[in-house]
Amino acid sequence: GIQVEQSPPDLILQEGANSTLRCNFSDSVNNLQWFHQNPWGQLINLFYIPSGTKQNGRLSATTVATERYSLLYISSSQTTDSGVYFCAAGGYNKLIFGAGTRLAVHP
Amino acid sequence: EAQVTQNPRYLITVTGKKLTVTCSQNMNHEYMSWYRQDPGLGLRQIYYSMNVEVTDKGDVPEGYKVSRKEKRNFPLILESPSPNQTSLYFCASSLVDNSPLHFGNGTRLTVT
Repeated sequence: GIQVEQSPPDLILQEGANSTLRCNFSDSVNNLQWFHQNPWGQLINLFYIPSGTKQNGRLSATTVATERYSLLYISSSQTTDSGVYFCAAGGYNKLIFGAGTRLAVHP
Repeated sequence: EAQVTQNPRYLITVTGKKLTVTCSQNMNHEYMSWYRQDPGLGLRQIYYSMNVEVTDKGDVPEGYKVSRKEKRNFPLILESPSPNQTSLYFCASSLVDNSPLHFGNGTRLTVT
């Protein structure tokens, strides 16, 4: 089955810094999504991005399907960006989640 | 407000006592799914449903049942809970299978 690997596993930033989170997947996919799990445990969908580039405010994501990776960019980070970021990749009926990147943004 | 609603948020029960975790969505989504989240194991799919009366197993279906009698509801049933089912459970839905997935707020289950 598809393997999904995320890096780095942990990231500590000062407020205002930029960061890039990476997601590698082992096989071709037609479904790629990024989620944020906040400190209260809620899972929020950030992007549905099987290919191409999207932006939403300070966040943007790029998926290069032919090279089997996706990147999530966080600019001008804020303390509210803290939490765990998950990438999920797959095809029909199945999304495989990566282990996540735990982000802590300090004031 | 468009949302996926799970109940209860917290549940403590004893081994063998049947329980149901409810999930409802108000977005007319066809696809619904259940996941469990465990430390070190991440999020794993339990069951999913493509539409009314259409359900199938995910990666960890043992010990769980589901039903999809109505489009909006997708309850998770544990007929004889065991301590290894202690976990954080999430229900999710999307318009169709391959589209943005929206999660409920989670149900933290403890089986003693």
